[in-house]
Amino acid sequence: DGGITQSPKYLFRKEGQNVTLSCEQNLNHDAMYWYRQDPGQGLRLIYYSQIVNDFQKGDIAEGYSVSREKKESFPLTVTSAQKNPTAFYLCASTVGQTMMNTEAFFGQGTRLTVV
Amino acid sequence: GEDVEQSLFLSVREGDSSVINCTYTDSSSTYLYWYKQEPGAGLQLLTYIFSNMDMKQDQRLTVLLNKKDKHLSLRIADTQTGDSAIYFCAESKGNQGGKLIFGQGTELSVKP
Repeated sequence: DGGITQSPKYLFRKEGQNVTLSCEQNLNHDAMYWYRQDPGQGLRLIYYSQIVNDFQKGDIAEGYSVSREKKESFPLTVTSAQKNPTAFYLCASTVGQTMMNTEAFFGQGTRLTVV
Repeated sequence: GEDVEQSLFLSVREGDSSVINCTYTDSSSTYLYWYKQEPGAGLQLLTYIFSNMDMKQDQRLTVLLNKKDKHLSLRIADTQTGDSAIYFCAESKGNQGGKLIFGQGTELSVKP
């Protein structure tokens, strides 16, 4: 079945450590996105990538990094520079290069907790 | 501005209609969406409406758009316990690469 898969579902990190969240899709979608979800704040865009080997900062990119070496993969690294990393992280993809006039497919999310 | 605003909570009885409201600020928005998030899961697209439409109906769902007031609503008829979830309103803007701006989400609780 085609879909978008995030792993792990739960992740714990010690302060000062970097951690990488995985996002893989087998939908042959061009664009992929990372959102952060906090209670009462909705979803905020961290980074997005419209094509392989290219990505753009979203609204809250500080303390995060991404890569897009393959079409199907868009990993997100939460660095030690991110001051408040505890959140629910959602990855999404779209068949076109934008989210206009198209359905965005979301993964099941990764809940990151800093301990 | 880019704010999309929703009330945070709504509680209804099973069988009643639910109406979830959303306001947005940017009149250049071309498409407006409703996504549903079940507990601990990702988002699923429920429906969307193009900005030149006033209404869209899809089975139990009715979307109303008042472009003058920048107000969007989602009505769920005959609400069931399985409809309990968080509902997100979102707008996409062609002049900003088509990115989605999400509201805070409305948590719908359906009581038997």
